[in-house]
Amino acid sequence: NAGVTQTPKFQVLKTGQSMTLQCAQDMNHNSMYWYRQDPGMGLRLIYYSASEGTTDKGEVPNGYNVSRLNKREFSLRLESAAPSQTSVYFCASSEVRFRDNQPQHFGDGTRLSIL
Amino acid sequence: QQPVQSPQAVILREGEDAVINCSSSKALYSVHWYRQKHGEAPVFLMILLKGGEQKGHEKISASFNEKKQQSSLYLTASQLSYSGTYFCGTEMPGWGAAGNKLTFGGGTRVLVKP
Repeated sequence: NAGVTQTPKFQVLKTGQSMTLQCAQDMNHNSMYWYRQDPGMGLRLIYYSASEGTTDKGEVPNGYNVSRLNKREFSLRLESAAPSQTSVYFCASSEVRFRDNQPQHFGDGTRLSIL
Repeated sequence: QQPVQSPQAVILREGEDAVINCSSSKALYSVHWYRQKHGEAPVFLMILLKGGEQKGHEKISASFNEKKQQSSLYLTASQLSYSGTYFCGTEMPGWGAAGNKLTFGGGTRVLVKP
């Protein structure tokens, strides 16, 4: 039972380069999320997808794009990386049911450094 | 809109108790609690729905005061394994198409010493 799988686990980029972070879940969850966590800080929502075919902005969407490829996969793209995007990125998923709140399950994170 | 957690850090001796608070200026539908060990992913502890329900996980329990829009996490008879950073995530009313969208607090670092 893999849960939420993120790739890669580590990445170093140069300023201006682009890359895509991949996330896949095997729990048949409707909703998926991308967060960033800066050192000593809490989690900030970048984008989320309430269900397959929909995406919406979170608190800090600037500089990022997302794609909900199918129910399992939700990718995060940095088009032109900046040093301010150095962070740990977490993907999460959850089942969403009416009046039945469910927890979010997190992947192990991608540690991204931009030089 | 980010919930405020207090204290920011706490140091305990094994067996001692602690309380972590999570306060919001907005009306809440639910509060989630997660624990994160250094270098690891956050792990779900419990969900509190409005209505003052109290839940438990091991010797960790929590309550939700709807009038104050505040949730408290109680670490009772703390164990070494309780060390980590605790985050609350709050969800506003109006659930539905928006999914289970949470706003996380800044975290409370807990260190339990032998």
